[in-house]
Amino acid sequence: EAQVTQNPRYLITVTGKKLTVTCSQNMNHEYMSWYRQDPGLGLRQIYYSMNVEVTDKGDVPEGYKVSRKEKRNFPLILESPSPNQTSLYFCASSPHGGQGDGYTFGSGTRLTVV
Amino acid sequence: KNEVEQSPQNLTAQEGEFITINCSYSVGISALHWLQQHPGGGIVSLFMLSSGKKKHGRLIATINIQEKHSSLHITASHPRDSAVYICAVAAMDSNYQLIWGAGTKLIIKP
Repeated sequence: EAQVTQNPRYLITVTGKKLTVTCSQNMNHEYMSWYRQDPGLGLRQIYYSMNVEVTDKGDVPEGYKVSRKEKRNFPLILESPSPNQTSLYFCASSPHGGQGDGYTFGSGTRLTVV
Repeated sequence: KNEVEQSPQNLTAQEGEFITINCSYSVGISALHWLQQHPGGGIVSLFMLSSGKKKHGRLIATINIQEKHSSLHITASHPRDSAVYICAVAAMDSNYQLIWGAGTKLIIKP
């Protein structure tokens, strides 16, 4: 089944403790992206990747890192999480990006930083 | 002013009613997406449009490129259609970023 798999689904952590949210797709998509969703603000893009070893900042990249060492995986890294990073996170993939391609989303990761 | 605006923000209707959700945008686009977010949080892509009209089951999406406007219609609405519906556009100069609407929360009462 074609899908984007995110893990974990739920995570509660403490301020400053490094964490990684994994994202993997099995559709050989070139484009992958991370979003956060907050009440009243909608989805905002954190980072995106157009292909292996190619990443770029979205609208809200501060406090996050990503890597794209292989096509299928695009992990989101929070080196020193803070409470303002409490949010619902989504990973998405697309064959080539926004120019007329459909998107597939992961199930989301609900992160709470205390 | 937001580049993508949806209306209404909230909509409550009775089962069986015909539903219309609107999306207006102010930028040049290559495609417009309609997505559905379930109460549990998952997001599903419903339609991608660059012109005209698409239909899938009870869902119909239309777009008018000249007027920069799209509508999502649900015929014979059902409580399981209750969700947040989100419009997003792939702007021509966005460098692959989608610009997102704020979403329309739809509740269908039995």
